[in-house]
Amino acid sequence: DAKTTQPTSMDCAEGRAANLPCNHSTISGNEYVYWYRQIHSQGPQYIIHGLKNNETNEMASLIITEDRKSSTLILPHATLRDTAVYYCIVRPRDSAGGGADGLTFGKGTHLIIQP
Amino acid sequence: GAVVSQHPSWVICKSGTSVKIECRSLDFQATTMFWYRQFPKQSLMLMATSNEGSKATYEQGVEKDKFLINHASLTLSTLTVTSAHPEDSSFYICSAHISGRGETQYFGPGTRLLVL
Repeated sequence: DAKTTQPTSMDCAEGRAANLPCNHSTISGNEYVYWYRQIHSQGPQYIIHGLKNNETNEMASLIITEDRKSSTLILPHATLRDTAVYYCIVRPRDSAGGGADGLTFGKGTHLIIQP
Repeated sequence: GAVVSQHPSWVICKSGTSVKIECRSLDFQATTMFWYRQFPKQSLMLMATSNEGSKATYEQGVEKDKFLINHASLTLSTLTVTSAHPEDSSFYICSAHISGRGETQYFGPGTRLLVL
């Protein structure tokens, strides 16, 4: 899986948009960008994933640059409950046989939402 | 979304005893389940991959005789920490994979193990 680089920590004011960057300059053509988050003492939670087009769901938006070497996760209206460690993971989607590999978690970004 | 449960949520045991942790997919059948371990202030580390009906595949450095994994059905995988020692104290998290789902993995809430 391609390596990713994320800032160690970020602060954001409650109610504002939180923009979390991720650098993945060695991403290959068949690799997707996945985002998970982990709230303290809980299991990780899937947020969103994408290949090259921008994606949006009820939780967040994912903006992927045209060269796919970086991406930004956007939480449009951050709340205190969004305080968590956010992980950007680059990996191929399910294999042709339908199997899957375990995820490789980096250190992630500790996002702190300030009241 | 798919729900994965773990039991127990926390356990305290004496050194030398064995502890079993259950991971269940509640509303779907998981072809593959994964076990992760997370030490304080560190990231999750993959321990093993478990496919229903076959032997688990362990990551380098994880002792298969110490961390026994059984995946007898498409909805249940168990991790047994045998002869636990204080250094095995950690947060153990399972995840389940559904073939064809974009998210690939759904995580359980984790089990916190403290070995005295």
